[in-house]
Amino acid sequence: EVQLVESGGGLVQPGRSLKLSCAASGFTFSNYGMHWIRQAPTKGLEWVASISPSGGSTYYRDSVKGRFTISRDNAKSTLYLQMDSLRSEDTATYYCATILFDYWGQGVMVTVSS
Amino acid sequence: DIQMTQSPSSLPASLGDRVTITCRASQDIGNYLRWFQQKPGKSPRLMIYGATNLAAGVPSRFSGSRSGSDYSLTISSLESEDMADYYCLQSKESPWTFGGGTKLELK
Repeated sequence: EVQLVESGGGLVQPGRSLKLSCAASGFTFSNYGMHWIRQAPTKGLEWVASISPSGGSTYYRDSVKGRFTISRDNAKSTLYLQMDSLRSEDTATYYCATILFDYWGQGVMVTVSS
Repeated sequence: DIQMTQSPSSLPASLGDRVTITCRASQDIGNYLRWFQQKPGKSPRLMIYGATNLAAGVPSRFSGSRSGSDYSLTISSLESEDMADYYCLQSKESPWTFGGGTKLELK
């Protein structure tokens, strides 16, 4: 059974950093690209970043370029999202998902507030 | 960036109704269109991929169709468990973009 479990969320002050993790199991993680998607409270879904199976290619939405870094450790079957220079508008539930968007984690809440 | 314009934003309906939600793509996306269902407090669930293909485990009352740049999700006979938010997603190219969502609710 495919499982994606996010962790690392919480309350953080504007301008500070946070690193999210997504632990994958039930499939060969190293064969699949992955996404991070977010959803602000009471709002719609917004794609954030993606990474290729090897980690050699990454993609970001414009609003997080230069602030967020997606990475992966295939030996640990874990996806990461390093979030720096956080802003209030980054407040959201963050989901990891497989490349075809067919499996999603349960989500982790990130709140950016002073 | 490819814009996905989803309508309506809210759809009151009765059990047994046939309902349709539509997304219009601002550029050609071929059949790179997915539909998701999201219930309160839950993660999105893939319902349709490739514009018309039912994802695993999705009831056959759900269907997807395409007419030019318009993509539709249809529920043939609404059941109570279908009350949820629905989103389309273009998966043709980065940045992947979602529609604004449709809240399906009981009339």
